[in-house]
Amino acid sequence: DTAVSQTPKYLVTQMGNDKSIKCEQNLGHDTMYWYKQDSKKFLKIMFSYNNKELIINETVPNRFSPKSPDKAHLNLHINSLELGDSAVYFCASSHWGDQPQHFGDGTRLSIL
Amino acid sequence: GIQVEQSPPDLILQEGANSTLRCNFSDSVNNLQWFHQNPWGQLINLFYIPSGTKQNGRLSATTVATERYSLLYISSSQTTDSGVYFCASIRETSGSRLTFGEGTQLTVNP
Repeated sequence: DTAVSQTPKYLVTQMGNDKSIKCEQNLGHDTMYWYKQDSKKFLKIMFSYNNKELIINETVPNRFSPKSPDKAHLNLHINSLELGDSAVYFCASSHWGDQPQHFGDGTRLSIL
Repeated sequence: GIQVEQSPPDLILQEGANSTLRCNFSDSVNNLQWFHQNPWGQLINLFYIPSGTKQNGRLSATTVATERYSLLYISSSQTTDSGVYFCASIRETSGSRLTFGEGTQLTVNP
């Protein structure tokens, strides 16, 4: 009965490659998010989608492209991976507005 | 944007001790959440507490929105309480953007 699930949990890849992370929620929420946690454990929002529409796009390089095929899914595609992209990426979901956000277990991305 | 500051940055306790973690925020907020990031990296929701007081077992939280701070109390700490505690808030006019503090690293020794 996983609420917010992300795949894969770990992703190890070479610089320059393209990779995707998938996220699905079964909580009936209409808003989904991607957050990035850096090596100092600081968490910062990257994107949010409400009803499949992009709402928040923080100053993220355009190598990062989120896609929301429906309200229950939000995927993150990253082109031309760089060393600095190494981080833990968390997906989250909530009802729109100031409602509590629920997080997936994170995807640890390591760039060699 | 909103600033969220947590203190202390690090805390070491003996099992059984009590502790208080603090979160100050710089603007009016509609959402205040506390999370525990366990040693496996999972972010566990502890409380959604934009105002008032809530309790869940050995944990309780209080948010005084008018004074822009929130407190997380851990009583009779256990080694499984170790990890990083984050508070995060959504500013009234920022949509759904959660802004996180830098966290408190808690270590509970047996």
